[in-house]
Amino acid sequence: ELKVEQNPLFLSMQEGKNYTIYCNYSTTSDRLYWYRQDPGKSLESLFVLLSNGAVKQEGRLMASLDTKARLSTLHITAAVHDLSATYFCAVNSGSARQLTFGSGTQLTVLP
Amino acid sequence: EAGVAQSPRYKIIEKRQSVAFWCNPISGHATLYWYQQILGQGPKLLIQFQNNGVVDDSQLPKDRFSAERLKGVDSTLKIQPAKLEDSAVYLCASSFISGGKGNEQFFGPGTRLTVL
Repeated sequence: ELKVEQNPLFLSMQEGKNYTIYCNYSTTSDRLYWYRQDPGKSLESLFVLLSNGAVKQEGRLMASLDTKARLSTLHITAAVHDLSATYFCAVNSGSARQLTFGSGTQLTVLP
Repeated sequence: EAGVAQSPRYKIIEKRQSVAFWCNPISGHATLYWYQQILGQGPKLLIQFQNNGVVDDSQLPKDRFSAERLKGVDSTLKIQPAKLEDSAVYLCASSFISGGKGNEQFFGPGTRLTVL
């Protein structure tokens, strides 16, 4: 059974600081997703990482994938309040390509 | 392009009552998913359809949950009878195909169910 673990689960950070969220998964997968969820809202796709060494950046967020280590990171640069949300990683598995989600990282950016 | 539509957005029922949720996927998307998201957790897949056939329902509590996608477009998820632990947000998602580069899933706004 595929396990997806994120850490930290809760993160409070000051505006302007940098931080990294980690996503580990237990079995081989060739695709990893990062989603953002605002309170009471649905999931918004941020990144799709398709291969080992893939790196994608959008604004202050950068995601990377190491399939050998079964690890993805979401790096936040110079955080701003608008980035406050819950971030989920999700991994494809199985013949039907189901998504298995991590528990999420609740990010709060403080002024 | 219109996104995934779900209704109702909110529903409050008492335990042992029945409830149904509706989902209309993005036009042309063959694959439809229903997820359950309990507060503080990531979404958990309940059932996956490819057109009008079930691909995976291994995590669907079949004694009380049922889902259908009769014409391969919109879908309904039903709970009968509801239990307190069914309180959650029910998310519908769709993708162009299952697997390959068309696998990216797009999520609807969800239905927040409260069972009292």
